[in-house]
Amino acid sequence: GAVVSQHPSWVICKSGTSVKIECRSLDFQATTMFWYRQFPKQSLMLMATSNEGSKATYEQGVEKDKFLINHASLTLSTLTVTSAHPEDSSFYICSARRTERAYEQYFGPGTRLTVT
Amino acid sequence: QKEVEQNSGPLSVPEGAIASLNCTYSDRVSQSFFWYRQYSGKSPELIMSIYSNGDKEDGRFTAQLNKASQYVSLLIRDSQPSDSATYLCAVNQGGSEKLVFGKGTKLTVNP
Repeated sequence: GAVVSQHPSWVICKSGTSVKIECRSLDFQATTMFWYRQFPKQSLMLMATSNEGSKATYEQGVEKDKFLINHASLTLSTLTVTSAHPEDSSFYICSARRTERAYEQYFGPGTRLTVT
Repeated sequence: QKEVEQNSGPLSVPEGAIASLNCTYSDRVSQSFFWYRQYSGKSPELIMSIYSNGDKEDGRFTAQLNKASQYVSLLIRDSQPSDSATYLCAVNQGGSEKLVFGKGTKLTVNP
């Protein structure tokens, strides 16, 4: 149990376009999902916390208008990178919290975004 | 500033040895502690969670927690080359759903 999927696994887009990444919890309900970004050889950086049915909470320094998060249901959260630029190229990873298992977070496989 | 500190390594052990990974945290009200394994180019995978002082064993893995010393560790017995990865310590930020991650310790198990 505790499987989280992400789609797409990798994407290449041109500068100025928008990209949507989906995160799904496949075998459990997740009231809270998290979006992270990881640059090469660096640790995870939390971008935002997403709660079903409410607005996402963004970490300091993360532009909410650039990284749009929608937690539409207990099994789906989406991250849209708007007007992407090369500096947005990174590994984006979502995680989902199993409500009944305290604060355990289960990670999706990640999406590698390259902006040309 | 809530922090989680890990020795960045790299830590190198021979196959069959015990690998010992350490982590300290600054937030005294933290209640939940986790170890994640991350292979190069992949996302983190939860391998151990521990909530109370003492040891918790799961197969070849043992997590140890000492809240008084604000210290959590992970022991990997009979280390295998497939254990070669970066190990991330994560701590629940007191009163929050968020986890604070250490920067990770890179472990290499030599055949």
